[in-house]
Order: sequence, then structure tokens, then C-alpha cells
Amino acid sequence: GQNIDQPTEMTATEGAIVQINCTYQTSGFNGLFWYQQHAGEAPTFLSYNVLDGLEEKGRFSSFLSRSKGYSYLLLKELQMKDSASYLCANLDSNYQLIWGAGTKLIIKP
Amino acid sequence: DGGITQSPKYLFRKEGQNVTLSCEQNLNHDAMYWYRQDPGQGLRLIYYSQIVNDFQKGDIAEGYSVSREKKESFPLTVTSAQKNPTAFYLCASNGLRTLYTEAFFGQGTRLTVV
Repeated sequence: GQNIDQPTEMTATEGAIVQINCTYQTSGFNGLFWYQQHAGEAPTFLSYNVLDGLEEKGRFSSFLSRSKGYSYLLLKELQMKDSASYLCANLDSNYQLIWGAGTKLIIKP
Repeated sequence: DGGITQSPKYLFRKEGQNVTLSCEQNLNHDAMYWYRQDPGQGLRLIYYSQIVNDFQKGDIAEGYSVSREKKESFPLTVTSAQKNPTAFYLCASNGLRTLYTEAFFGQGTRLTVV
């Protein structure tokens, strides 16, 4: 079966760093996406990894290890506006997006 | 500007009624998707289409129907057979078999049964 796991909820402090993990078991692999979703809004694209390693984009970085079926999203210098759900999604062999349930990130002052 | 548009943003339905949610994209994407999201939950796939005049059931297709008569349009009908339709509905599209296949989302439709 296909499965993507991420923590349900995480809490972090403004200005700190947080790492959100995602593990996946899917049929085939064509890339790993991270999306941000604020409450009541549509998800917005953050990052895409298809090769192993770290992709850095400003305060956000995403890491992929295909051999371990593992990815993480790293958020630095946390701001209150980063409070949102973060969704991990795998693009499988049929180019179908398989979504995790999302990690709700709560930022405290 | 290219994008994906859902309408309406809010929709109220009486029990026993069918309602249709609109989704239009001008991104020339082959694939379109409908997801349902309940409070605090992830995205669950209702239907998807990879080509005009063809579509496939997702994980929770019962009580829903779709059509794909045009590449740009993928409307979703929530039928009276759907017993618990109150939810947030998201439409998405992406290109297929290209190197970079980011999915774009519409703004979402919040459906409430009254």
C-alpha cells in the first residue's frame, strides 16, 4: 500500500528552528513536495525534491533521502505567520500525488 | 494570468439536493483533481482526470460525480447520496510526465448542508 507519515502537531517558539519529518512508502517515486496551508485556505507550494540532498530557499529548506524514504522541511527564524499546516506529498509512478495528513505547526511568542 | 479558479467560495445545500462545484484552469494542465478536507484532516482524493473524457475514482468517490468534457474544466457534483457533504473542497491541477509537476490549487469551496 501507499503511505505517508508525518507528525500531527508540533509547537515551536518564534525565532527558533523547527524540523518537520515525513516518511513515505509509495509505488514508485517522481518527487517529494512540501506545501503550506493556512487554516481555511488552499495549500501553497513550498518545495520540490527529486534528488537526494538539501534544497535551500530562504528561511525554508527541504531534505530528501530516497533510500530511506524520508524527507524533512526545516524552517528557520520562525515567525508567527509560519503557524500553519505543512503537507508532505509524494508523486508516485503514475504521477499521482499521495498526500500526508499534514503537520499543524503552532508558533508561540 | 494563468491559474485555477473554483467557484463559489461558499455554498449552502439543503438536504436531498445536488450541487455542482466549478473548477476551471488555464494552465494547459492535463491532470485535474478534486479533494475533500475535513477540519484538522489531510486531503482525501475524490476523483481525478488525466485526459479529456476520462476520469477515475479516488478514495472517497461515493456520493460524488464528475465530468471532463473540456481540458480546462472539471466540475464536481455532490449528490444527495453523499450523507455527510459538509467539508472544504479543493480542486487542483498539474502537468503530467514533465520534469516539474507542481500541483496548483484553487481557492477552495466550503460546502455546508443546512
